[in-house]
Amino acid sequence: DAKTTQPPSMDCAEGRAANLPCNHSTISGNEYVYWYRQIHSQGPQYIIHGLKNNETNEMASLIITEDRKSSTLILPHATLRDTAVYYCIVRAGNMLTFGGGTRLMVKP
Amino acid sequence: EAGVTQSPTHLIKTRGQQATLRCSPISGHTSVYWYQQALGLGLQFLLWYDEGEERNRGNFPPRFSGRQFPNYSSELNVNALELEDSALYLCASIRELGTGNTIYFGEGSWLTVV
Repeated sequence: DAKTTQPPSMDCAEGRAANLPCNHSTISGNEYVYWYRQIHSQGPQYIIHGLKNNETNEMASLIITEDRKSSTLILPHATLRDTAVYYCIVRAGNMLTFGGGTRLMVKP
Repeated sequence: EAGVTQSPTHLIKTRGQQATLRCSPISGHTSVYWYQQALGLGLQFLLWYDEGEERNRGNFPPRFSGRQFPNYSSELNVNALELEDSALYLCASIRELGTGNTIYFGEGSWLTVV
């Protein structure tokens, strides 16, 4: 699986959009970008995934650049409950390999 | 639809004992993964079972083992427990293999070795 690079931490004001970047410059054509989050000491929660096109669901939007070398997860209106570690994972096979993720702190 | 369920939620064992953790995948899911997350550390892949067979194994000693039953539920066994085995053990499942299919996680089982 391609390696991803995420900032170790970010802050966001409550009610504002949280934009979490992820670099995956070695991604291959058949590799999906997956986002999960882990709220303290809970199991990782699936957020969204995409291959080439931008995706949106009830939780977030995923913007993938045209060259697919980077992506951004957007939480449109962050709440305090969105405080968590967010993992960007590039998946080629049937495995998920977790990196360090981004610790997002949503502040009042 | 029930999610991935794990039991027990918490388990305390003494060094040298054996621990057994259980996982029920989402209904219809045939593949199960196990991960370990020591306190403050990242998720480390342990084992992957699909259709009753072990498909892949992470960099863990043989005293970590498991199995998948005909109903697709799974069991993780840790023998000769060591203090550093204290961690959150997470189970995940997927309906069908394929990179576009989502893997879902349970809430985990906390194992404390004293």
